[in-house]
Amino acid sequence: NAGVTQTPKFQVLKTGQSMTLQCAQDMNHNSMYWYRQDPGMGLRLIYYSASEGTTDKGEVPNGYNVSRLNKREFSLRLESAAPSQTSVYFCASSEPPSSYNSPLHFGNGTRLTVT
Amino acid sequence: GENVEQHPSTLSVQEGDSAVIKCTYSDSASNYFPWYKQELGKGPQLIIDIRSNVGEKKDQRIAVTLNKTAKHFSLHITETQPEDSAVYFCAASKGTGRRALTFGSGTRLQVQP
Repeated sequence: NAGVTQTPKFQVLKTGQSMTLQCAQDMNHNSMYWYRQDPGMGLRLIYYSASEGTTDKGEVPNGYNVSRLNKREFSLRLESAAPSQTSVYFCASSEPPSSYNSPLHFGNGTRLTVT
Repeated sequence: GENVEQHPSTLSVQEGDSAVIKCTYSDSASNYFPWYKQELGKGPQLIIDIRSNVGEKKDQRIAVTLNKTAKHFSLHITETQPEDSAVYFCAASKGTGRRALTFGSGTRLQVQP
């Protein structure tokens, strides 16, 4: 049981380049999330998807787009990368949001550097 | 929106000692408070959580306490071991939706053998 799988693990981009971060979960969770982690700032929500076919903005959505391809997969796209998007990106999933007892399950992250 | 402050940012203890990490939150409507542990190169993992109708919760060597009046909650780790070394995050939310989780800035705990 792999849980939440993120690819790639590392990526270096030049300013203005685009890329898509991939995320897949095998726990049959309805909800999926994208967070970024920056030193001293904890984890900040970029976008989330409460269920297949729906997506909503989080705290820091500017410069990103997402696609909930199916129940398993939730991708994050940077259309024109900027140095301010240098960060570690985490994908997470959970049971339906109505469950208090459902923790967030995180992937191992993608470390992105934009030069 | 919600603001969660976490202290200290780094904490070093001797093996066997206790460690305490504290968080304060700003929104009195928050009612769910999880703690996550992040090991090097891994994603955060839930270690314990508490709801606002409970003042304390324990799970073996870890415990969380909540003071709703003062709007703060704490993580207590007793008999620390080297494998407890990690970054710990507190979080708070007021809705049933996980999207509402606001995280603290993290505490790097180092347990010296």
